[in-house]
Amino acid sequence: QVQLQESGPGLVKPSGTLSLTCAVSGGSISSDNWWSWVRQSPGKGLEWIGEIYHSGNTHYNPSLKSRVTISVDKSKNQFSLKLSSVTAADTAMYYCARLTLMEIVLYFDYWGQGTLVTVSS
Amino acid sequence: EIVLTQSPATLSLSPGERATLSCRASQSVSSYLAWYQQKPGQAPRLLIYDASNRATGIPARFSGSGSGTDFTLTISSLEPEDFAVYYCQQRNNWPPITFGQGTRLEIK
Repeated sequence: QVQLQESGPGLVKPSGTLSLTCAVSGGSISSDNWWSWVRQSPGKGLEWIGEIYHSGNTHYNPSLKSRVTISVDKSKNQFSLKLSSVTAADTAMYYCARLTLMEIVLYFDYWGQGTLVTVSS
Repeated sequence: EIVLTQSPATLSLSPGERATLSCRASQSVSSYLAWYQQKPGQAPRLLIYDASNRATGIPARFSGSGSGTDFTLTISSLEPEDFAVYYCQQRNNWPPITFGQGTRLEIK
């Protein structure tokens, strides 16, 4: 059973950089899956941030692309999110998730429990 | 960006009743649409993919239909554990992947 666990600071100062890590257990990050970050805030619902393949290929949400970096560490079986120049609008529950190919298209089949990040001074 | 609009925002029903949830896309997503269930304090759970295929372990009372721009999630006979928030999600025209704003299914 694949499990994902987010970790990182729960409080980030405005204009700072949000950094989160997702540890993958029960499976290899080098499997034929994509790995993604999704956030959820009361005002905007679920918002896809981006995704990465173990080769390092990435896709980002155009609305966040200028501030987002997703990276993978195969030696630690984990992937990470960095979001720069944060504001209060970035306050949200952040989830990491696995994307699996279901016939033709990738869908989210495993999720972490989420970690709440608050942007405040 | 494809916008997914879910209706109704809130649906109040009793256990045993049939639930019908709608998701409308701003442009065609073919059949590349999924439905997720989210309970308080939990992450979303995949129910339906490719509009009508049940994910592993999902009970047969959940079914999905539709293609193009109009999709429906049906729960044939509500169980107490089905009361939750439901989201649709598309991956036909991306980036970005987009989600609907959710339908809250509450006990009447």
